Amino acid sequence: SQKIEQNSEALNIQEGKTATLTCNYTNYSPAYLQWYRQDPGRGPVFLLLIRENEKEKRKERLKVTFDTTLKQSLFHITASQPADSATYLCALGSNTGKLIFGQGTTLQVKP
Amino acid sequence: DAGITQSPRHKVTETGTPVTLRCHQTENHRYMYWYRQDPGHGLRLIHYSYGVKDTDKGEVSDGYSVSRSKTEDFLLTLESATSSQTSVYFCAITTGSGNTIYFGEGSWLTVV
Repeated sequence: SQKIEQNSEALNIQEGKTATLTCNYTNYSPAYLQWYRQDPGRGPVFLLLIRENEKEKRKERLKVTFDTTLKQSLFHITASQPADSATYLCALGSNTGKLIFGQGTTLQVKP
Repeated sequence: DAGITQSPRHKVTETGTPVTLRCHQTENHRYMYWYRQDPGHGLRLIHYSYGVKDTDKGEVSDGYSVSRSKTEDFLLTLESATSSQTSVYFCAITTGSGNTIYFGEGSWLTVV
C-alpha cells in the first residue's frame, strides 16, 4: 500500500539555523508533491508545490527538493525564526486530484 | 481567505446517531475533499469530489458517505456515528489537480 513517512515527529533547532525536514514515500508515483504548514487548531496552509520533473523549488526562505529516484523530498527553512514553529506536512498528489498526506513534523525554533 | 465555510464547527453527538458535516465554498472550485485528522495518523482522505455528482473514495471511507449536488456544497455524512469517528474533519478545495489547495478551519466532532 502507499506509504508516506516524515522522518521525525519533532525537530528542535536554534533560531538562525537551517531546519531540514524529510518526506519519504513508497509504492507511489506522484505527479507532484506539496508542503503545508499547520498551526494548532487551524487548517493546513499551502506553502510550496514541486512537480515530478522538477528538482528544486524556492520561495523566500523556503526550499524544496524532490528526488523521484530516492522517493524523497527535503524541505528547508533557512535562517529559521521562532515564528516558523509549527507542524509541517508533506502531501503527494496524482493527476486524478487525489492527495495524500504524511503525519507531519513539528518544528520548534528556540530563540 | 479561500471562501470555505465548514459547519458545524463543533459538535457532540451520541453513538448511533447520524451526523452531517457541510462544506460550502464560494469560489466555484471543481475539486473538494474531506479529511480527518487524528494524533498519530495525520490527515487521512475520506472522500473527494471532482465535480457535481462525481465522487470517489479515499483511504478511510468506511462508515462515511458524501454527496455533491451542486458545485458549492460537499456534504459528509456519518450514517451511524461511532466513537472511532471522534476526530477533527477538514474540508479542502482546489481548482484542479496540482493546484493550490485551500483548507477550511475544521469541524471538531465528538461521539460519546
